[in-house]
Amino acid sequence: KNQVEQSPQSLIILEGKNCTLQCNYTVSPFSNLRWYKQDTGRGPVSLTIMTFSENTKSNGRYTATLDADTKQSSLHITASQLSDSASYICVVSSNSGGYNKLIFGAGTRLAVHP
Amino acid sequence: NAGVTQTPKFQVLKTGQSMTLQCAQDMNHEYMSWYRQDPGMGLRLIHYSVGAGITDQGEVPNGYNVSRSTTEDFPLRLLSAAPSQTSVYFCASSYSRSGGVAEAFFGQGTRLTVV
Repeated sequence: KNQVEQSPQSLIILEGKNCTLQCNYTVSPFSNLRWYKQDTGRGPVSLTIMTFSENTKSNGRYTATLDADTKQSSLHITASQLSDSASYICVVSSNSGGYNKLIFGAGTRLAVHP
Repeated sequence: NAGVTQTPKFQVLKTGQSMTLQCAQDMNHEYMSWYRQDPGMGLRLIHYSVGAGITDQGEVPNGYNVSRSTTEDFPLRLLSAAPSQTSVYFCASSYSRSGGVAEAFFGQGTRLTVV
């Protein structure tokens, strides 16, 4: 069964600190891996998308890594800001019949405190 | 750019009532989909469409109907609401890109409560 598991479930850090969120997946066939940020009461917004051949991708203070051999990904947030408080969702795309189906993790809820 | 627009943002229904959740996109995307998000779980695919006139079931389609008469609109119908359908519903649209990756854009969600 296709699954995406994220850890930790929730995390509290102080403003200015770094943190790393983890994602493990068992999805086949694999097309790409995405990280989304979801603010409370809003829809998910894409941060990064990585294909099989990419092992790192950055978007400002967000850096995602992908190890396709171990089927693991991480999202590193540098110098956290209060606005980083949100849920971060790992999503694996699997191409089935020409349509990219998205398999979502349950998310990591990050709280950044002053 | 409006992107993906969902209406209403909040809705309370009584068990057995019917309603339609609206979704519209102005990006001329081929693909549209509906998800539900429940506490402690990832978003789950309800129905999707790869173009006008073409729809298919996702992971949790029971109790929901969809149609796609135009590229822009993809309404989700609840024929007889049940408390188990209490959830937050997201509509998304994306496009196919030859040799590349299709970005998915999400609406702001509809929070539905069935009592």
